[in-house]
Amino acid sequence: DAKTTQPPSMDCAEGRAANLPCNHSTISGNEYVYWYRQIHSQGPQYIIHGLKNNETNEMASLIITEDRKSSTLILPHATLRDTAVYYCIVRVPFLYNNNDMRFGAGTRLTVKP
Amino acid sequence: GAGVSQTPSNKVTEKGKYVELRCDPISGHTALYWYRQSLGQGPEFLIYFQGTGAADDSGLPNDRFFAVRPEGSVSTLKIQRTERGDSAVYLCASSSQNNEQFFGPGTRLTVL
Repeated sequence: DAKTTQPPSMDCAEGRAANLPCNHSTISGNEYVYWYRQIHSQGPQYIIHGLKNNETNEMASLIITEDRKSSTLILPHATLRDTAVYYCIVRVPFLYNNNDMRFGAGTRLTVKP
Repeated sequence: GAGVSQTPSNKVTEKGKYVELRCDPISGHTALYWYRQSLGQGPEFLIYFQGTGAADDSGLPNDRFFAVRPEGSVSTLKIQRTERGDSAVYLCASSSQNNEQFFGPGTRLTVL
């Protein structure tokens, strides 16, 4: 069972920031927050991950609340190609005996012209 | 460089038949994962390999499903006596020690 809760769908205007929320109220101290996205008919694609500090890369920013019970993925200038299902996952990074990722249903983001 | 590749991209079979799905991971990645994705749902974990051994096969739904990775690179997911409920997209991913998983495009299996 997924440990995260995400809205099923969101819309965003092209060129605007897309803010995708995720609740993970049962996150444990050693679990990271990961975000992946899946464009139609493709495999999931890694976006970003973090533990407790905010993170930024060329694709997105990740804002994690101080209590770590929720986070927000920010796409600063959404384009039509960002239309996809976005998955928020909490997991402990690479352990030899625990390496599966539990995907929920994700948020279907539609970027509109 | 080359990403994760999966063959075939599409497979149509009849109920009761045996199928094999192949995954070629990124070169040098020691970890390999299989997932299954049904329409409208997120990927569901099946099995994880570290090298040649299955480190975690807790996601395999029943004993009709089996996977191998004999040389620690290519992996094959095998499904015996296929059922219509096995119809899904089967995704493979690989990762290095940095644990970010790279996914292949998947194999769409249709059981008639």
